[in-house]
Amino acid sequence: NAGVTQTPKFQVLKTGQSMTLQCAQDMNHEYMSWYRQDPGMGLRLIHYSVGAGITDQGEVPNGYNVSRSTTEDFPLRLLSAAPSQTSVYFCASSYEGSRANYGYTFGSGTRLTVV
Amino acid sequence: AQSVTQLGSHVSVSEGALVLLRCNYSSSVPPYLFWYVQYPNQGLQLLLKYTSAATLVKGINGFEAEFKKSETSFHLTKPSAHMSDAAEYFCAVSVQGRRALTFGSGTRLQVQP
Repeated sequence: NAGVTQTPKFQVLKTGQSMTLQCAQDMNHEYMSWYRQDPGMGLRLIHYSVGAGITDQGEVPNGYNVSRSTTEDFPLRLLSAAPSQTSVYFCASSYEGSRANYGYTFGSGTRLTVV
Repeated sequence: AQSVTQLGSHVSVSEGALVLLRCNYSSSVPPYLFWYVQYPNQGLQLLLKYTSAATLVKGINGFEAEFKKSETSFHLTKPSAHMSDAAEYFCAVSVQGRRALTFGSGTRLQVQP
């Protein structure tokens, strides 16, 4: 059981380049979300999805696109990278379940540097 | 909307001393509350979570937290700090129907020998 897999682990982009951060989960979780982590700011929600074909914006969505064509995958796209998007990105999945079992599984993160 | 405030971005304790990391939340509905730990250059590890009526929650590595509705708090404690506890700690909140977390800004714990 791999859990939540993020690729790549590290990436350096030039300003204006585009790329996709991959996130895949094999737990059949309904819900997936993307966060960015910056020093002193904790983790902030970028986008989230409550199921295939359904996505919504989080706290800091500008500059990022997402889609959810399958339950397993939730890629995050940077269309034109900017230095302000230098950050560590985490993907997470969760499920409805019971209140006692409610929880999140996080990927190991992608460290992105935009130069 | 829910929010989380962690008091103290840096906390320093001596080895063997009590660890107390503060977390206050804001939510108009019953929350789910979480504490995560992050070691340098690593991902997030769940320490403990509050999801039920049990207000005192025990987690891994000797940590525990108490949910106090009247104080809207979920402070993290450990009776005796170890050097290995040095890390950054995040409090997070979620609510039924919102399938994403809201995090606090984090508290970096230093443990002095």
